Amino acid sequence: RKEVEQDPGPFNVPEGATVAFNCTYSNSASQSFFWYRQDCRKEPKLLMSVYSSGNEDGRFTAQLNRASQYISLLIRDSKLSDSATYLCVGVKTSYDKVIFGPGTSLSVIP
Amino acid sequence: NAGVTQTPKFQVLKTGQSMTLQCAQDMNHNSMYWYRQDPGMGLRLIYYSASEGTTDKGEVPNGYNVSRLNKREFSLRLESAAPSQTSVYFCASSVLNIQYFGAGTRLSVL
Repeated sequence: RKEVEQDPGPFNVPEGATVAFNCTYSNSASQSFFWYRQDCRKEPKLLMSVYSSGNEDGRFTAQLNRASQYISLLIRDSKLSDSATYLCVGVKTSYDKVIFGPGTSLSVIP
Repeated sequence: NAGVTQTPKFQVLKTGQSMTLQCAQDMNHNSMYWYRQDPGMGLRLIYYSASEGTTDKGEVPNGYNVSRLNKREFSLRLESAAPSQTSVYFCASSVLNIQYFGAGTRLSVL
């Protein structure tokens, strides 16, 4: 089983919709979590960190559930510009090991 | 503000040829990484360097070597390229567990 798993999608949603992605991780040693965004044929870029208490950045909300070992990303009021692949990332801080999930593809349709 | 710079952007090799992918960062980060990204596989860590003078194997190190020349530069070498090494290669540096990526090198091995 991969250490970080995501539903690859694609998720096709209309503009204005709310969409949620989940990510599960298998190793409880992962201590820090992040969501990255990757546009087609571009490099990944940090979207937001994920905190145990949950955190929000504009239309984006991230949640971490350590007991169930999953991370979620909620996007409200989807925009065409949100179309991208979203990567879930776990970091084992003790020795700086970074694990990327395979990514979830989102297409926002006019 | 260049961030992480990778060269070349594109490369075509014949089986058995060798080449070095160059990476440099100007953010004074200690940690640097090399990943490959293949369709459906996500980002896989090849090698990483936690600090100048140290390197460690990642998930898929076979067929590759690395050199952490100084704090800024981390190169990846393919000694004898194989078609299985056709991929997109990303270099990254990190601070506080956040990764900053270069634009990538698209490598085809024929």
